[in-house]
Amino acid sequence: QVQLVQSGAEMKKPEASVRVSCETSGYTFTSYYLHWLRQAPGQGPEWMGIINPTSGTTTYAQKFQDRVIMTRDSSTSAVFMELRNLRSDDTAVYFCARGVGGWPYYYLDVWGKGTMVTVSS
Amino acid sequence: DIQVTQSPSTLSASVGDRVIITCRASQGISRWMAWYQQKPGKAPKLLVYQASSLASGVPSSFSGSGSGTEFTLTISSLQADDFATYYCQQYYSFPYTFGQGTKLEI
Repeated sequence: QVQLVQSGAEMKKPEASVRVSCETSGYTFTSYYLHWLRQAPGQGPEWMGIINPTSGTTTYAQKFQDRVIMTRDSSTSAVFMELRNLRSDDTAVYFCARGVGGWPYYYLDVWGKGTMVTVSS
Repeated sequence: DIQVTQSPSTLSASVGDRVIITCRASQGISRWMAWYQQKPGKAPKLLVYQASSLASGVPSSFSGSGSGTEFTLTISSLQADDFATYYCQQYYSFPYTFGQGTKLEI
């Protein structure tokens, strides 16, 4: 079955960087775009960006444009999200999700379980 | 960015009730609306896509409707397992945006 397995919880200090991984299985990696979202405590999900697993091309939400990098490793069918210059309000659960559809209309049919990132001095 | 306004924020109901959750987009999004269910400590689960298409494995008690700027999610007969938080999400344009959520409680 389709699975997205994310890396474990992280605790970081302000101004540090965090890298979250998302290993995919159960489908052809290059056939579906992958998305990153986050959810702060008590809030709704927030979309961060999308990566084309074939080309590595990315589109980011403007809010994160200067701090986020999304990459992929086709050899391991994994995608990665690095967020730099962390602030306390980056504390959230970060999710990867598979997108189904055609550019730019993708609904998110399978989600990873999430990675808790805590930013605190 | 497209704003998505969801109502109500909280809904109290009983098993067997019919409930309706509404989302309004700040501009027309055709039928590019999805609905998700989320339980505490879990990832969102897709219920409905393209406004009215039921995701695989979702009970037929769930249904979605709407187009343009007005959308609804209806649960025709609440089951105990349905008490959760529900989100709508537009995927018409980046950045995708979500409603504020509806907490469905007993």
